[in-house]
Amino acid sequence: GQQLNQSPQSMFIQEGEDVSMNCTSSSIFNTWLWYKQDPGEGPVLLIALYKAGELTSNGRLTAQFGITRKDSFLNISASIPSDVGIYFCAGPEGGSNYKLTFGKGTLLTVNP
Amino acid sequence: DTAVSQTPKYLVTQMGNDKSIKCEQNLGHDTMYWYKQDSKKFLKIMFSYNNKELIINETVPNRFSPKSPDKAHLNLHINSLELGDSAVYFCASSRGTTGELFFGEGSRLTVL
Repeated sequence: GQQLNQSPQSMFIQEGEDVSMNCTSSSIFNTWLWYKQDPGEGPVLLIALYKAGELTSNGRLTAQFGITRKDSFLNISASIPSDVGIYFCAGPEGGSNYKLTFGKGTLLTVNP
Repeated sequence: DTAVSQTPKYLVTQMGNDKSIKCEQNLGHDTMYWYKQDSKKFLKIMFSYNNKELIINETVPNRFSPKSPDKAHLNLHINSLELGDSAVYFCASSRGTTGELFFGEGSRLTVL
């Protein structure tokens, strides 16, 4: 199946710092999605991107759909302790949104 | 008024047993999914259903049998449990195939 390479695997930052993580795919995606998973919970959708080049913000979060359609990044500005969690990128495998492929996740730790 | 609810949240059982996990969504969505998250937090699609019809069966052993009695419910029955089945199983739903999934809180299965 398609591979989603997500980096970094983990980040340990100070409160107030900005964070950037990215995802690359071995093939073209028509959708990129970013999810966050808190401990003991299911993933929650943060941002959905549907168009190459699209830049979308959700509060302190900004995500972009790469122009090549093979990558996406997520930025978090002015991090706060509740940003702690695992961030996943996801995209439709084989072009089918019935079958989302998830990256391996970026574990974010924020030191107050 | 939980959107996607799974029961049970925790399940501890012996190898060889049969167990079921139930899922219900009250969002009016027509597509439901089962995902498996392993100990490394990797999320992998197992099944997708649309309007009670199986769309995706992602090479899951036939010991796993999903059943969708109606659009709002998707249950997962597992026969002859093996140690490797230990994981967190997430149910999710979406409206159509936007990729915008709503996840349940997960069911942690431990096979001894």
